[in-house]
Formats: sequence, C-alpha cells, structure tokens
Amino acid sequence: LAKTTQPISMDSYEGQEVNITCSHNNIATNDYITWYQQFPSQGPRFIIQGYKTKVTNEVASLFIPADRKSSTLSLPRVSLSDTAVYYCLVGENQAGTALIFGKGTTLSVSS
Amino acid sequence: EAGVAQSPRYKIIEKRQSVAFWCNPISGHATLYWYQQILGQGPKLLIQFQNNGVVDDSQLPKDRFSAERLKGVDSTLKIQPAKLEDSAVYLCASSLVLDEQFFGPGTRLTVL
Repeated sequence: LAKTTQPISMDSYEGQEVNITCSHNNIATNDYITWYQQFPSQGPRFIIQGYKTKVTNEVASLFIPADRKSSTLSLPRVSLSDTAVYYCLVGENQAGTALIFGKGTTLSVSS
Repeated sequence: EAGVAQSPRYKIIEKRQSVAFWCNPISGHATLYWYQQILGQGPKLLIQFQNNGVVDDSQLPKDRFSAERLKGVDSTLKIQPAKLEDSAVYLCASSLVLDEQFFGPGTRLTVL
C-alpha cells in the first residue's frame, strides 16, 4: 500500500476555503485516494474518494493531478464544526480492503 | 439506518485484568474491522472479518488479544491480560461494498 504524507496541522478562519494536500509518490495503478474525517470522541467518517481529475460532493472536492502522486482535499467556506483530523488514504478500491491510516492533518478553524 | 454500535463506551481496568468489547455492525455488512487508536495517532487495524472468517489478523497481539464474530454478525474483542500500553480507543467498523467503512463511536480503554 502506498505511503501518504500530509501536514500535521493547519489553521483557518471561518468562511475561508481550506486545501489539504497529500503526497503519495508510490501510488499504484489500481489505487484510489480516499479521505476520512474524525471528530474528537468519534470514529472516522468517509468524506470523499477519487481516482483521477476532480471529484465533488456536497461536503468537499478532491483534486488529483494527472500523475496522481498527490491529491488535494478542498473544503469550501469552513465553519467551526469543520475542526477535525483529516486522513488521506491510498489503496485498492475493493470490498473488504483494510485501511492504513497515518497521523492525519489536524485542522483548527477559528472565528 | 442504524450505525455501528459499540459497548461499553468507556472502561477503566487495572493492568493484568481482562476486558471485552462488543460491536454490532450495520445490518447486512459482511466485513467487520477492529482498530486500535492510540492518542495522537491514526487508527491501526487489529483484525478484519469477512462474515465469520478472519481475513487479516497480522497486527493482532495474539498472546493477549482475541476476537470472534459468531454467526457473522456481532463481534467481541477481548484483552487478557491487559497492559498499560493497551490504553487506547478501540474502534469497530463495517463495510458492505467498495472500501467505504462505517465506524462506531469507539470504546475508550484506560489501563491503570
């Protein structure tokens, strides 16, 4: 499984757009990129997944360049409730595939 | 739709004691996972079940940890005897298709 590198922490203010970049230089052809969000005292929650180019849902956008060696999670107009740890994971998109989490990025949103 | 249920939510024990955690996955989810999350780190997979069979238990400390998933539904994770370094949050997750996993709230274990 490809190893990922992401910033340990980021700070932002309410209403700003936040971009968290994840590096995965050894990503394999069959690997997908998935982001999870974890609030204190809760289990991680799936945010978004993509393979290439751009994916958007009601929560976030995921930008993946052509070489797929990195990806950027974009959170539009963050609020205080977006304060959480964000994990970038890379692996095959198969049923029952175990997830390997790094330390994630702690996002702190202030008013 | 009900989420993944776990109990207890908190547990405090002395070292060398035993403890058990229970997980009820989302109905119909064939795959069940147990993760250990130490403070400040991401979750680490301990064991993965497909129905009632073990798919991956390579990171489970088998000298003290055991898990079972009878009838392919509920699962129990046991630690016997507990060590100080077992203090962590134990997360259960389940999945149906692809690799979107649904996590429970976790059990916070403190070993004194």
